[in-house]
Amino acid sequence: GAVVSQHPSRVICKSGTSVKIECRSLDFQATTMFWYRQFPKQSLMLMATSNEGSKATYEQGVEKDKFLINHASLTLSTLTVTSAHPEDSSFYICSARDLGGGSTDTQYFGPGTRLTVL
Amino acid sequence: GDSVTQMEGPVTLSEEAFLTINCTYTATGYPSLFWYVQYPGEGLQLLLKATKADDKGSNKGFEATYRKETTSFHLEKGSVQVSDSAVYFCALGPRSGGSNYKLTFGKGTLLTVNP
Repeated sequence: GAVVSQHPSRVICKSGTSVKIECRSLDFQATTMFWYRQFPKQSLMLMATSNEGSKATYEQGVEKDKFLINHASLTLSTLTVTSAHPEDSSFYICSARDLGGGSTDTQYFGPGTRLTVL
Repeated sequence: GDSVTQMEGPVTLSEEAFLTINCTYTATGYPSLFWYVQYPGEGLQLLLKATKADDKGSNKGFEATYRKETTSFHLEKGSVQVSDSAVYFCALGPRSGGSNYKLTFGKGTLLTVNP
């Protein structure tokens, strides 16, 4: 299957700093990528849909000025958590949509980034 | 709107036991169905998928059949291994994509397999 990478895999930062997480599709082009946040007891929350060359679409309740998304190319989307606070500590997962032609529209996920804000 | 309901966990089995994780869905249109697996500390991996009624997705000994009449996509494996211990997510997505494409996930089922 298609491969999606995330960097870094783990980051610890001080409260008030900003953290950037990268998501790359390694062997396919992704016009659409997604950012999720995973809470304890495994629940996944879609934060936003990232479209190459245009503004991201945020889900209700997600602050777009706090979670900045940039999708500058067909293989790279970034999520920047600005002025991070301890409550932003979480596991952030990206995915990339592989159209693949025909009916094989599938999302492939990155390995996740564990953010800890002190 | 679309929704996915999967059985509450955790599920604990002994090695070589039979596994079923139930998944039912409600959707407008004709969705594609997916099972994803998440091993501890990792992201989600696509386990299998089916894009139309009566399709059977299979991978690594796991199977699931797209049942339109019962709106179900139950995951099964005949003989589980310790290495199958993970969280399993059922999901649906629009079959034909489009600009509003996104997946709807179940809440996940934690499976623990003991030796």
